[in-house]
This record gives sequence, structure tokens and C-alpha cells, in this order.
Amino acid sequence: AQKITQTQPGMFVQEKEAVTLDCTYDTSDPSYGLFWYKQPSSGEMIFLIYQGSYDQQNATEGRYSLNFQKARKSANLVISASQLGDSAMYFCAMREVNTNAGKSTFGDGTTLTVKP
Amino acid sequence: NAGVTQTPKFRILKIGQSMTLQCTQDMNHNYMYWYRQDPGMGLKLIYYSVGAGITDKGEVPNGYNVSRSTTEDFPLRLELAAPSQTSVYFCASSYSDKGGNQPQHFGDGTRLSIL
Repeated sequence: AQKITQTQPGMFVQEKEAVTLDCTYDTSDPSYGLFWYKQPSSGEMIFLIYQGSYDQQNATEGRYSLNFQKARKSANLVISASQLGDSAMYFCAMREVNTNAGKSTFGDGTTLTVKP
Repeated sequence: NAGVTQTPKFRILKIGQSMTLQCTQDMNHNYMYWYRQDPGMGLKLIYYSVGAGITDKGEVPNGYNVSRSTTEDFPLRLELAAPSQTSVYFCASSYSDKGGNQPQHFGDGTRLSIL
């Protein structure tokens, strides 16, 4: 079974608007971490935000926030006030602490295009 | 700050040739990883290491080998290159991660074409 599912291959958003990128995950490990990475067209992978399975509050980092719904096993990335530089591919990843120590599983990504 | 350094950045190989992709990190990270990324796809884990002298297979290890003789270096060896190994290869590292909360730091990638 796919451990990380990103159902939106491509998304468009108008500049200055907010956008939500979906991520659902599957694990039986009670302890895990969820990560979002950005990959611009230049190719590098940039860490954006982290959410732990035991965190009570949703993570935020500047314009990025993570909408964590544990019961639904979803960890959606919200980008507020989109900028042209946000156009990139975005990957959701999960690290299971007890069952796959040291390894991360990545989704297939969502390509975000910000329109001027 | 160098971070994770991969060499070469680009390479073209002929079918059947061998090569080593180099990866070094200067952050004293215990964990290191090799991924491949095919066009328009996510990252697939090839091999990983939780410390010097310790390596383990990921989900797509066939056709590759690794070694980890030092904390800093984690080279990936391709033996008998095949067209299916055409991809972008990323090396990554992170701190020891007992709590599952350490992000990975990535190199800039190696674009490899097998012709």
C-alpha cells in the first residue's frame, strides 16, 4: 500500500492567494514525523516544515502551515499569500520511528504553479 | 557552509560501464541516504546508512552498491550501467533520529544518462 499519497499532480493558484496541497499517509507506527519539501525547477530539495505525530498544535513556518488531522491521517500543506517563487514541486514525506528507523518515504509530489 | 556535496553534477555513461557517485557531508550527520528521482516522480530510496560501517537496502537497491567507511562519505557505485538507471540521484543526510523529527539535508543531485 502506498504510504504517502499526494492526489494532486498539478495545482494552480493566483498570486497572493492561499493554496492547500494535500497529503495522506498510512502507518501503524504511533510515532512518526511528517515533512514537506520544496523542489524548484533548479532541482534542489528544500526542507519546509515538520509535524510530529504527538504534536498537539499544527506546525507553522512563516507562510507555510501544516493542517494535521491525525484521525484522518492527513497532513496538508497550506501556503498563504502565494508568490511567484512558490512555483515548484512539493513533496510530502514520512519517517516512522519504530518500524522503519532512519528511513523516509516520499510521495510522488504536487507541481504548484503560481499565476501572476 | 558546504552541507551535502555531490560529484559529478552531470554524467553520461555507456551501457555496461561503471561509475561511482560521490557524496560527502560536513555536518557530522550519522544518517545518510541515496535516492533516485525519475522524471516527474518522487524519490525512491536506494540505500541508506545509520553510521560508519553500517548500510542497508532501500526499496530499489538492484544494480547499486554503497559503502560507508567514514561518517562524512557515502559513495554510490553503479556496476554495469543500464538505461533504466538514467535518473537524477540525490544524496541526503540527517542527524540521528530517535524521535523521527530530523529533516534531511540534500545535495544538489547528479543527473545521470545511460546511452
